[in-house]
Amino acid sequence: GAVVSQHPSWVICKSGTSVKIECRSLDFQATTMFWYRQFPKQSLMLMATSNEGSKATYEQGVEKDKFLINHASLTLSTLTVTSAHPEDSSFYICSARDVPTAGDTQYFGPGTRLTVL
Amino acid sequence: RKEVEQDPGPFNVPEGATVAFNCTYSNSASQSFFWYRQDCRKEPKLLMSVYSSGNEDGRFTAQLNRASQYISLLIRDSKLSDSATYLCVVNMGSGSGNTGKLIFGQGTTLQVKP
Repeated sequence: GAVVSQHPSWVICKSGTSVKIECRSLDFQATTMFWYRQFPKQSLMLMATSNEGSKATYEQGVEKDKFLINHASLTLSTLTVTSAHPEDSSFYICSARDVPTAGDTQYFGPGTRLTVL
Repeated sequence: RKEVEQDPGPFNVPEGATVAFNCTYSNSASQSFFWYRQDCRKEPKLLMSVYSSGNEDGRFTAQLNRASQYISLLIRDSKLSDSATYLCVVNMGSGSGNTGKLIFGQGTTLQVKP
């Protein structure tokens, strides 16, 4: 199946700093990528839908000025957590759709575990 | 009411047992349905799509009941390696307007014991 990578796989940072997470589709072009967040013992919650060349669509309750999303190419989307605080500590996962080949199927990246001290 | 509801479990079963998970969804306009598997501290991986006629993949059988807005997953002859969290997932879009937005259930934890 299609491969999606994320970098970094884990990061520890101080409160107040910004953290950038990259999501890449390695063997297909993804016009749409999705960013999810998962807190311990909870399910994945969609944060935003990232469309190549246009602004991201954020879910209700997700601050767009805090979670900056850039989808500059068909294979790369980035999520920047600005001024991170301990409550932002979570598992951030991206996914990408390979619509021409796989229709609705979304391929998930391995996730980035963020810990804010 | 949650958009996708699952019994979180855990389900503790012996090897070789048959176990069934259920899931209900609230939006009757939902079009696509999936079961994903998530291992501890890993990303979800697609287990199988769920079709209206029901479908089987080896030891796994998925069923969809649109009238009751209910999805099920049956695992036969459980293996130790089946231990994981099983996520019921619904795609809310349809047709050309399909945004691909997936709604995840809380997940059902399965622990298969020797």
